[in-house]
Amino acid sequence: GEDVEQSLFLSVREGDSSVINCTYTDSSSTYLYWYKQEPGAGLQLLTYIFSNMDMKQDQRLTVLLNKKDKHLSLRIADTQTGDSAIYFCAESPGSSNTGKLIFGQGTTLQVKP
Amino acid sequence: EAQVTQNPRYLITVTGKKLTVTCSQNMNHEYMSWYRQDPGLGLRQIYYSMNVEVTDKGDVPEGYKVSRKEKRNFPLILESPSPNQTSLYFCASRLDRARMNTEAFFGQGTRLTVV
Repeated sequence: GEDVEQSLFLSVREGDSSVINCTYTDSSSTYLYWYKQEPGAGLQLLTYIFSNMDMKQDQRLTVLLNKKDKHLSLRIADTQTGDSAIYFCAESPGSSNTGKLIFGQGTTLQVKP
Repeated sequence: EAQVTQNPRYLITVTGKKLTVTCSQNMNHEYMSWYRQDPGLGLRQIYYSMNVEVTDKGDVPEGYKVSRKEKRNFPLILESPSPNQTSLYFCASRLDRARMNTEAFFGQGTRLTVV
């Protein structure tokens, strides 16, 4: 089946690193994504990783993919108060031809000054 | 500016009163879709469209209709809204269905309350 799971809440202090974790079930997923949702706004694509990669780094963001364990993580270095938002993990299931994304429940990141 | 525009942003309606949520994109994208977001469930796809006049059901299509008469517009229609359709709705578009490495752009969301 298609399922994506995330922890619901993470609180960190400004300047610390944040690590948001995600697990998924579809081993045929082609791409995995991280989206950010700020209050009252739509979803903004932060980064994505192709399933044959282990790691992708983009400025303060590092994505790690463990395909064997079906585990994806997003690390935000030097977390700022502006990073406070809901972060969604999503996958494009290889078993589907609809083009849909399967989203996790979202992790609320709270950054304390 | 590349964007997906939804209207209205907020809507309170009564059970059974037909409503339409509009969605428009200015990127000439072929693929468009509607999601609903509910607490603890993430986003679930309602309907999608691969191109003009080509639409199909997503995971939670019951109670909804869509149309795609023009490439840029993809309205979501609730013929007879019920309280269980109270949710936050997002329209999204992408270049096409197959290129999953291209960004899916999301609208700002429509918060619908059905009383």
